[in-house]
Amino acid sequence: DSGVTQTPKHLITATGQRVTLRCSPRSGDLSVYWYQQSLDQGLQFLIQYYNGEERAKGNILERFSAQQFPDLHSELNLSSLELGDSALYFCASSVQAGGPVDTQYFGPGTRLTVL
Amino acid sequence: AQSVTQLGSHVSVSEGALVLLRCNYSSSVPPYLFWYVQYPNQGLQLLLKYTTGATLVKGINGFEAEFKKSETSFHLTKPSAHMSDAAEYFCAVRPSGGYNKLIFGAGTRLAVHP
Repeated sequence: DSGVTQTPKHLITATGQRVTLRCSPRSGDLSVYWYQQSLDQGLQFLIQYYNGEERAKGNILERFSAQQFPDLHSELNLSSLELGDSALYFCASSVQAGGPVDTQYFGPGTRLTVL
Repeated sequence: AQSVTQLGSHVSVSEGALVLLRCNYSSSVPPYLFWYVQYPNQGLQLLLKYTTGATLVKGINGFEAEFKKSETSFHLTKPSAHMSDAAEYFCAVRPSGGYNKLIFGAGTRLAVHP
């Protein structure tokens, strides 16, 4: 158990809908990262937040947005869902924003299925 | 742009045999390097990492990896495979400066047979 929690574990929804994925980082971690794992794209970095501020952006679609709240939990919002958004979404957390000793610990993931 | 190549999407070994999973990276400067393991229906677990210092890195569950700058490689090895090692293994790089994002390879699925 990494200490990173994600809810829900599974999510099934229809095209065009909007969903929210939630992540609680390990105690003491200030950074939260979101990754998408799909069969065709593999594991891809989406976005990083550090202490409430967006820190880095990767291959995140405009239909997707994220935020980190004062209690440091984070939410990933996916809207106008398409079939291709079906994937496993991972959250990771780390103590700092970077540096050699800053290691990312991953949650168990949320499996999103868009029908 | 940095990238990671894992040679072999599937590797099969016998129980007790040597495990060798290959990872090569492309980067203008040596990055930080990681191996993660993903068991079925689970998240990613850190096996080991290289940042600076000793190039032979020991991780959990008897795995180790060696950073070879001249070959831009970071291959993962384990002397004797166990049935419980069956999983998917991901090599990842992180730029040594700048952003903290991980760039993952495509993964190698390890099968261990009796």
